[in-house]
Amino acid sequence: RKEVEQDPGPFNVPEGATVAFNCTYSNSASQSFFWYRQDCRKEPKLLMSVYSSGNEDGRFTAQLNRASQYISLLIRDSKLSDSATYLCVVSLNTGGFKTIFGAGTRLFVKA
Amino acid sequence: NAGVTQTPKFQVLKTGQSMTLQCAQDMNHEYMSWYRQDPGMGLRLIHYSVGAGITDQGEVPNGYNVSRSTTEDFPLRLLSAAPSQTSVYFCASRRGESAVDSYEQYFGPGTRLTVT
Repeated sequence: RKEVEQDPGPFNVPEGATVAFNCTYSNSASQSFFWYRQDCRKEPKLLMSVYSSGNEDGRFTAQLNRASQYISLLIRDSKLSDSATYLCVVSLNTGGFKTIFGAGTRLFVKA
Repeated sequence: NAGVTQTPKFQVLKTGQSMTLQCAQDMNHEYMSWYRQDPGMGLRLIHYSVGAGITDQGEVPNGYNVSRSTTEDFPLRLLSAAPSQTSVYFCASRRGESAVDSYEQYFGPGTRLTVT
């Protein structure tokens, strides 16, 4: 079983739609959670951190459910520019370098 | 700030050749790392460094060497290229453990390597 699992998609949605991605992680000791965005043939960039209480950044909302070990990302009012691959990232606060990247979920937003 | 830079952007090697992928950062980050990204898989950690003179193996270190003589530079050496090393390689850096937001990683633009 992969340590971080995501639905690879692709998700094809029209502009203005709301879309949600989920990610599950297997290590209950995981303590830090993130969503990264990766455009085609580009490097990943941090989209947002995910906090236990949930957090929002404009049209993006991230939630963490520790009991069920999953993280979600909700995108409201999708824009064409949201088309990208979204990577779920989980870190252990071990003092080492234990950061696990999910394989990503592809999103296509169409006009 | 240039951030994290990588050279070359593209490279084609023949099986058995060796080469060095260059990575540099100008943010004075303590931590640097090398990942490879293959289709359908997440980024996998090859080697990492928590400071100058300190390196350690990640998840997939075989066939690769690293060194960290300065804070800024973290080259990745392919010792004897194999077709299985065809991939996109990303270098990343981040602040040390004691810094706020230390887990945000900044990635270079990547090197696309093909081994024939």
